[in-house]
Amino acid sequence: EIVLTQSPGTLSLSPGERATLSCRASQSVSSYYLAWYQQKPGQAPRLLMYGASTRATGIPDRFSGSGSGTDFTLTISRLEPEDFAVYYCQQYGSAPRTFGQGTKVEIK
Amino acid sequence: EVQLVQSGAEVKKPGESLKISCKGSGYSFTTYWIGWVRQMPGKGLEWMGIINPGDSEARYSPSFQGQVTISADRSISTAYLQWSSLKASDTAMYYCARQGRITALAFDYWGQGTQVTVSS
Repeated sequence: EIVLTQSPGTLSLSPGERATLSCRASQSVSSYYLAWYQQKPGQAPRLLMYGASTRATGIPDRFSGSGSGTDFTLTISRLEPEDFAVYYCQQYGSAPRTFGQGTKVEIK
Repeated sequence: EVQLVQSGAEVKKPGESLKISCKGSGYSFTTYWIGWVRQMPGKGLEWMGIINPGDSEARYSPSFQGQVTISADRSISTAYLQWSSLKASDTAMYYCARQGRITALAFDYWGQGTQVTVSS
């Protein structure tokens, strides 16, 4: 099973700042099969990025994804108030498909 | 509009059985796999398994194999997650989600979640 480790656990930032979230895999993951999700309190997760770097429908371009192999990054260029949430990475190239433990982006 | 609508919250006792549902609409239900994801209180997302509604082939995470059963009834565009004997540790929010095709198999649409509480 591929273990995804996200860091940091919590990111305290102010609106307008840049957020950089990391997702590290225990084994190589095809970048085609790496996704990022956003979850706000009391809501279901929402797909942000798939294929490591492709934004899902309706996702603003302040969100970007990059990486390959075992190291992947989600960047939010300038945080908006609605971006404060928990973010999860997921790999779906190997069974079982696994999620990272999440990074909480909170208002500083 | 694609929608996944899940059944309502459940409160059960340990040892009881339960089947929760996820009804798809706005797309061809048999064309997309449906997955189930657990979220325990205050915790992260866990991938439980996935089913192809077209032929009912199901695949499970080893962590959930034998603990739950995933099924589907394509005639009513509904997927199910069921337990034969609940435990207190099954208390969680359960989400169904559609595995996309253009989204390289990521979960592109999610249900609203079903809260399951198991308590004596």
